[in-house]
Amino acid sequence: ELKVEQNPLFLSMQEGKNYTIYCNYSTTSDRLYWYRQDPGKSLESLFVLLSNGAVKQEGRLMASLDTKARLSTLHITAAVHDLSATYFCAVATKTSYDKVIFGPGTSLSVIP
Amino acid sequence: KAGVTQTPRYLIKTRGQQVTLSCSPISGHRSVSWYQQTPGQGLQFLFEYFSETQRNKGNFPGRFSGRQFSNSRSEMNVSTLELGDSALYLCASSHSGGLSYEQYFGPGTRLTVT
Repeated sequence: ELKVEQNPLFLSMQEGKNYTIYCNYSTTSDRLYWYRQDPGKSLESLFVLLSNGAVKQEGRLMASLDTKARLSTLHITAAVHDLSATYFCAVATKTSYDKVIFGPGTSLSVIP
Repeated sequence: KAGVTQTPRYLIKTRGQQVTLSCSPISGHRSVSWYQQTPGQGLQFLFEYFSETQRNKGNFPGRFSGRQFSNSRSEMNVSTLELGDSALYLCASSHSGGLSYEQYFGPGTRLTVT
């Protein structure tokens, strides 16, 4: 059964600092998603990573995927308060790409 | 293009009752997935429908069921509600078969069971 872990689960960082959120998953997959959720809101798609070595960047966020290590990272550069949210990684199962399993989420708080 | 819509947005029910939630996907999307989000269990996959057929199912009891209509709209039903069913229910649609399989989420239905 596919399991997805994230660490850290809680992250408090100062504006201007860099940090990385890690996402590990337990079985083979080559489709990984990162989502953002603001309190009381739905999920906003950030990145879709489809192959080993994939790297995508949007603003201060950069995501990468290493399928051999079953690891994805979400790197935050020069954090700003607006990035405060919960970030989820999610992995599609190899047997069915439409069954997506989510990690527990990383609650990020950026302090001015 | 209109996004994913879910109705109702908020619902309060009593234990033992049943409830039906509705999800209208993005036009042209044929896959609809349902998720339950709770503070304790996080985001859990319920089931996924494509062309009126359930293709994938999560580990939920039979009280949770769903269906999809020919226009791709989907409904989710929970019978004999329990307090633990209080959650945010999210549906997501995707153009299954598309290169990215990207899912687009609706605003959710907040269900409270008293």
